[in-house]
Amino acid sequence: QTVVTQEPSLTVSPGGTVTLTCASSTGAVTGDYHPSWFQQKPGQSPRSLIYNARFLHSWTPARFSGSLLGGKAALTLSAVQSDDEADYYCLLFYSGAWVFGGGTRLTVL
Amino acid sequence: QVHLVESGGGLVKPGGSLRLSCAASGFTFSDFFMSWIRQAPGKGPEFLSYINGRSNDIYYADSVKGRFTISRDNAKNSLYLQMSSLRVDDTAIFYCARLGNGWSPGDSWGQGTLVTVSS
Repeated sequence: QTVVTQEPSLTVSPGGTVTLTCASSTGAVTGDYHPSWFQQKPGQSPRSLIYNARFLHSWTPARFSGSLLGGKAALTLSAVQSDDEADYYCLLFYSGAWVFGGGTRLTVL
Repeated sequence: QVHLVESGGGLVKPGGSLRLSCAASGFTFSDFFMSWIRQAPGKGPEFLSYINGRSNDIYYADSVKGRFTISRDNAKNSLYLQMSSLRVDDTAIFYCARLGNGWSPGDSWGQGTLVTVSS
């Protein structure tokens, strides 16, 4: 069974920078996994931020960026704001199947 | 803009069945893959199923294969999920989500509908 692993929790100070990662039990995450990143706040549906590793939607603030880093997918938040406090999920593609990671709870403190 | 509205959730006994619907608007429904994603209380999302515009490319996660059936009616701009042999661990919010172009899964989500499986 494929497992996608994220940091369970991270804390960042307002104005700081933080990188969340997404690893695959099958090995290095490459562009073929088409990583996506989602933000979810309490009581809301998840919202897509990044797709195909590094592409931002029109609604995604420019302080969010996606990349492939050290065999993992990565989501970097720069100039973090209190409004960025949320759960973040990555999603990877495995030859016809899409699998979510367990999520990272980001605290801005 | 894209609008997705799920309905059909509710309380059902273990072993029972339920049919979820998703009404889509704001885009050419038949042009897009659509999906169902669920989220159990306090857990992360789980990708369950997707279907292409012509209904000839369908995927199910192992957890629901053989029990759930995805379908769509392009004339009605609607997506469906027929669920049977429901189990207590199927309790979750079920979301309808569009698979956008350019490898953009879940570029739009509905508000979700709650399914509770309990005796």
